[in-house]
Amino acid sequence: AQSVTQLGSHVSVSEGALVLLRCNYSSSVPPYLFWYVQYPNQGLQLLLKYTSAATLVKGINGFEAEFKKSETSFHLTKPSAHMSDAAEYFCAVSGGNTGFQKLVFGTGTRLLVSP
Amino acid sequence: EAQVTQNPRYLITVTGKKLTVTCSQNMNHEYMSWYRQDPGLGLRQIYYSMNVEVTDKGDVPEGYKVSRKEKRNFPLILESPSPNQTSLYFCASSALDRGISEQYFGPGTRLTVT
Repeated sequence: AQSVTQLGSHVSVSEGALVLLRCNYSSSVPPYLFWYVQYPNQGLQLLLKYTSAATLVKGINGFEAEFKKSETSFHLTKPSAHMSDAAEYFCAVSGGNTGFQKLVFGTGTRLLVSP
Repeated sequence: EAQVTQNPRYLITVTGKKLTVTCSQNMNHEYMSWYRQDPGLGLRQIYYSMNVEVTDKGDVPEGYKVSRKEKRNFPLILESPSPNQTSLYFCASSALDRGISEQYFGPGTRLTVT
């Protein structure tokens, strides 16, 4: 079965600092990987996705993620945090015997940005 | 505007009183799904539908029912709600292809069962 592990339920950074949110996946087949962001009292919004093309994926709002098969990782980064980045971030995987539409989510990482 | 709508956004009810949470999308998507979000557990799939009259169980279907009589609507039914169904519920939809298309999420329904 596919699964996703997000290390750290909370990550705190200062405004302007590097953002690094960790995601490791488990999949018996080449996965599709996603990062979603959830702002307070809102639904989930897609930040970026990996679909077996380029391993470095650029998304919205300056975020990017790199697919590393050898490390089974798909960490999310942003060079310089903004206050508006404070939100909860979810890594998700799809593909294989669960189907390409079903998303299996990690437990989420709440990003806190201080001035 | 492409969107997924859910109603109601907030609901407080009592144990055993049947309720329905509606979900509607205007993108002509084949695939629709319900998730529940609980602290520390992320989002877990309850039910999904590949098209009209085609539904199947997700990972946590106990206590829930769904129907898909029209392509745009996918209501979630709780026949006899219990306190352990207190949660934040999301409906999502996407076009049916090989997972490349984005899943669009509704704004969520916060349900409290007392």
